[in-house]
Amino acid sequence: AQKITQTQPGMFVQEKEAVTLDCTYDTSDPSYGLFWYKQPSSGEMIFLIYQGSYDQQNATEGRYSLNFQKARKSANLVISASQLGDSAMYFCAMREGMGGSEKLVFGKGTKLTVNP
Amino acid sequence: DARVTQTPRDKVTEMGQEVTMRCQPILGHNTVFWYRQTMMQGLELLAYFRNRAPLDDSGMPKDRFSAEMPDATLATLKIQPSEPRDSAVYFCASGFGQGDTDTQYFGPGTRLTVL
Repeated sequence: AQKITQTQPGMFVQEKEAVTLDCTYDTSDPSYGLFWYKQPSSGEMIFLIYQGSYDQQNATEGRYSLNFQKARKSANLVISASQLGDSAMYFCAMREGMGGSEKLVFGKGTKLTVNP
Repeated sequence: DARVTQTPRDKVTEMGQEVTMRCQPILGHNTVFWYRQTMMQGLELLAYFRNRAPLDDSGMPKDRFSAEMPDATLATLKIQPSEPRDSAVYFCASGFGQGDTDTQYFGPGTRLTVL
């Protein structure tokens, strides 16, 4: 069974608009971490934002915020005020357990295109 | 600006040849991960190390792949012999390996093409 599901292969958004990229996860571990990475066409993987399973508040990093709904097992990424440079692949990932040494399991990704 | 570095950035080789990819983790990070990205499989973990000791290499084909950390500043991934199905982008990532907020930082990747 897939542990990370990203149901949107592609998304389009107008510049300056907000966009939500969906991510659902599956785990029975009470301790886990959720990550979002951005992969532009140049290929590098850029860390965007992290949410821990015990965090009471949704994580925010600049224009990025994570809409964490634990009961629904969803961790959607919200990008506000989209910019042309936001066009990229976006990957949701989960780490089960705490400690930092555990591997990440990635979703298939969502390709975001920001239109001028 | 601390970054994970990987060499080479691109490698084209012929089937049967040995391929060695190198990674320099961020100074101070004690966990190193090797991931492979393909269109079909997406991103998948091959192996990872903590304090230079291998913790998990179950994602790696054992007969042809090997991963080592000769020292804290160098991780290597070798394929011998290489096959066309090994064509992919190979990423190295590193982290501090402690604390629930620890993040893995990725290198730029090595794009491998096996003809």
